[in-house]
This record gives sequence, C-alpha cells and structure tokens, in this order.
Amino acid sequence: GAVVSQHPSWVICKSGTSVKIECRSLDFQATTMFWYRQFPKQSLMLMATSNEGSKATYEQGVEKDKFLINHASLTLSTLTVTSAHPEDSSFYICSAILAGGEEQYFGPGTRLTVT
Amino acid sequence: GENVEQHPSTLSVQEGDSAVIKCTYSDSASNYFPWYKQELGKRPQLIIDIRSNVGEKKDQRIAVTLNKTAKHFSLHITETQPEDSAVYFCAASYSSASKIIFGSGTRLSIRP
Repeated sequence: GAVVSQHPSWVICKSGTSVKIECRSLDFQATTMFWYRQFPKQSLMLMATSNEGSKATYEQGVEKDKFLINHASLTLSTLTVTSAHPEDSSFYICSAILAGGEEQYFGPGTRLTVT
Repeated sequence: GENVEQHPSTLSVQEGDSAVIKCTYSDSASNYFPWYKQELGKRPQLIIDIRSNVGEKKDQRIAVTLNKTAKHFSLHITETQPEDSAVYFCAASYSSASKIIFGSGTRLSIRP
C-alpha cells in the first residue's frame, strides 16, 4: 500500500522557537494533504487542507499565521509551528490522497513537546 | 460544517462478547463513513468503511451499519479478542478523498 512518512517522529523545542514538520508521500503523488492535531486522550482535529501549488485552507479557529503550511511539490507538505508555546504540544498527523485516487493514507505522526 | 458524535467514550467487554459503538452525524451531504482503530502513539488505521448507498457492510468479525435517514452509523465487533483493545474513531466525509471529521473516540477494553 501507499506509504506516508513524517519527519521528525518527535521533537522537543523551547517556547518561542519555530518547528517544521514534514509530511512525505513516498511512493505516490499527492495533490491533497491534510494536517490534524491530536491532544492526549482526544480525537483528531482537522487543522487544514493543503493542496499542491496553492494556499492551504484552514479550519475555523486555526491561526494560519501560527501554523504555516507549504505544499510545494506533489510529494511534500510542511507544517511550521511558529513561536511555539507549551499549549502547542500535541501529536501532529498528516494524511495524503493519491492523485486521482480515493484513498487517504495517514502518516505516523509527530509528537511535539514545547518546554 | 459536519459534526460527529460518538458513544460511548469507554467500553469494557468480556473477551468473546460483542462490542457496539454508535455515531451520529449532522451534515446530510456526507457520503463516506470510515472507522479507525488507533493504538497508543500510532497513526489511525482504517478498519472498515461504508458509503451512503449501502446500509450494511461486513468484514469477518467487524460490521458497520448506516441509517442515512436518521444520520446514525454503528460499528459492531463480534467475538472480541484482547488485540481488539484500542481507541476506535468513527468519522464522516463527503468522499474518501475529502477531509475527514472524526468522532470523539471510544476506548475499548477487552477483559480476559
């Protein structure tokens, strides 16, 4: 099956710094990727939809200037958490849709801890 | 936008018994209803899905039912086994290639 990877798998950063998380489709081209956030013992909350070559569409309540999403190629989308704070500590998961396909594949997630 | 509610939040069943998780959704335009199993610290895994033109779907010990009129759908796991212990999420979407809105999750524990 299709493989989606995320890098890093975990990261610890200091409050006020920025962190970039990568989501890659390893063996297929993905025109659309989604970014989710999951706090401990909670559900996955959709943050934004990322389309290759265009601006991301953010869900209501998600600050687009804080969570910068770039989808510069058909195999890579990045999420940058700017000026991170402890409340941004969470599990960030991406998913990708095969171009022209109907299945959505999830990445393994990135655990962010802001100290 | 779509809102998905899921019950119960926790469920404990004896090994070998059945488990049922129920969900409701709000957007009548939703047509795709996947169910995911998530183990601690891992990605959600699609275990079964159902589309709006089907009322029921079964895959071995797992079955899903959908009532579009009532906007209800349910997951049924029969002959539960210890490895079924995990968090289960229902979800709704316009299609399998659209954004997915997740329910709040059910923590299923199987008692030996």
